Amino acid sequence: GQNIDQPTEMTATEGAIVQINCTYQTSGFNGLFWYQQHAGEAPTFLSYNVLDGLEEKGRFSSFLSRSKGYSYLLLKELQMKDSASYLCAVGDGGATNKLIFGTGTLLAVQP
Amino acid sequence: SAVISQKPSRDICQRGTSLTIQCQVDSQVTMMFWYRQQPGQSLTLIATANQGSEATYESGFVIDKFPISRPNLTFSTLTVSNMSPEDSSIYLCSVAEQGFGAFFGQGTRLTVV
Repeated sequence: GQNIDQPTEMTATEGAIVQINCTYQTSGFNGLFWYQQHAGEAPTFLSYNVLDGLEEKGRFSSFLSRSKGYSYLLLKELQMKDSASYLCAVGDGGATNKLIFGTGTLLAVQP
Repeated sequence: SAVISQKPSRDICQRGTSLTIQCQVDSQVTMMFWYRQQPGQSLTLIATANQGSEATYESGFVIDKFPISRPNLTFSTLTVSNMSPEDSSIYLCSVAEQGFGAFFGQGTRLTVV
């Protein structure tokens, strides 16, 4: 079966660092993606990991361990505008490489 | 990245009726995907639409309820048929680019009353 788990909600303080974890068990794997979704808007692409290790992109970094079926998204220097849902998704590696989405984590950044 | 235009952006429909959602991409793409996002939930894939062939539906979704057209490489439609309040969701079309996963249209917020 396909299973992707994330914490449902997290709260953090402006200026701080927050780590959002994602664990997955899928029949295939062709990359792990993180998306940001503000309320009422479509998801927007944040990062992509296909090999183990850390990918850094400005204030956002994403880590992958394929052997552990584990990823995290690290957000630094949090800003109020970072309050959003963060979605972890796995490419299933099939013919269409469709994405399987996790449950999503709602992050609230407080002053 | 592809630019995806989806319409309508929102609609309120009577139960028992049908709504067709359109998705236009600014470049030719092989695969287009239709997702549903129920209130407070993550995204669930409805089907994959490949030009020139029938759509491939995920478990729990059937063609009679969600017929899909894919007449060319830049356009697709999803119809939500015989709607009930349980169909109230956001419906999103997307295309995939290698290494970037899915890019999404702005979504259609459907309310069934």
